[in-house]
Amino acid sequence: KAGVTQTPRYLIKTRGQQVTLSCSPISGHRSVSWYQQTPGQGLQFLFEYFSETQRNKGNFPGRFSGRQFSNSRSEMNVSTLELGDSALYLCASSQTSTGGFTDTQYFGPGTRLTVL
Amino acid sequence: QQQVKQSPQSLIVQKGGISIINCAYENTAFDYFPWYQQFPGKGPALLIAIRPDVSEKKEGRFTISFNKSAKQFSLHIMDSQPGDSATYFCAASSQDDKIIFGKGTRLHILP
Repeated sequence: KAGVTQTPRYLIKTRGQQVTLSCSPISGHRSVSWYQQTPGQGLQFLFEYFSETQRNKGNFPGRFSGRQFSNSRSEMNVSTLELGDSALYLCASSQTSTGGFTDTQYFGPGTRLTVL
Repeated sequence: QQQVKQSPQSLIVQKGGISIINCAYENTAFDYFPWYQQFPGKGPALLIAIRPDVSEKKEGRFTISFNKSAKQFSLHIMDSQPGDSATYFCAASSQDDKIIFGKGTRLHILP
């Protein structure tokens, strides 16, 4: 079974631009979560989608948004990029249908975003 | 109340030794405590997880010890090997809640 895939793996953007990241979950997984990882703040939860609905959301500004398609693939968008948005953005998928994070999450390799 | 405090930030252990990483939480609603291992250039991978109804869980060389009254849990890596060198994250979550991660521990096993 193929793992979680994320595209692109690396991105360089400038302040004020917007960016869209893509995540394809493991086949059969319906839950997709997004995380931001930085050296200073560590790993922080952004949001979770299940069956095309945002089921959970972390404490990030509205510039961070996401969506999930009927095939469970998910995209994350960041508008009006700031220097502080430079981070590794990780996507994880799980089979959970009950909400929460008590099922094993399988992480992708991440997208390294650099904002100049 | 949503924090998970992880220590130490970095750890150096001799090959064959025991690596111990500690985490503490405050929110008593947390009921799932996973540990993740992350190698450079890779996403985190679930290593082992525990629920608060047990005090210890062992999988191979990896053991989680859980102290519900103290709101603490720890990861023990027995017979540590150079291949265990990675960053380890503890986390805590509850049903219908967000997942909170510790800041991570960079573990280096000396050959």
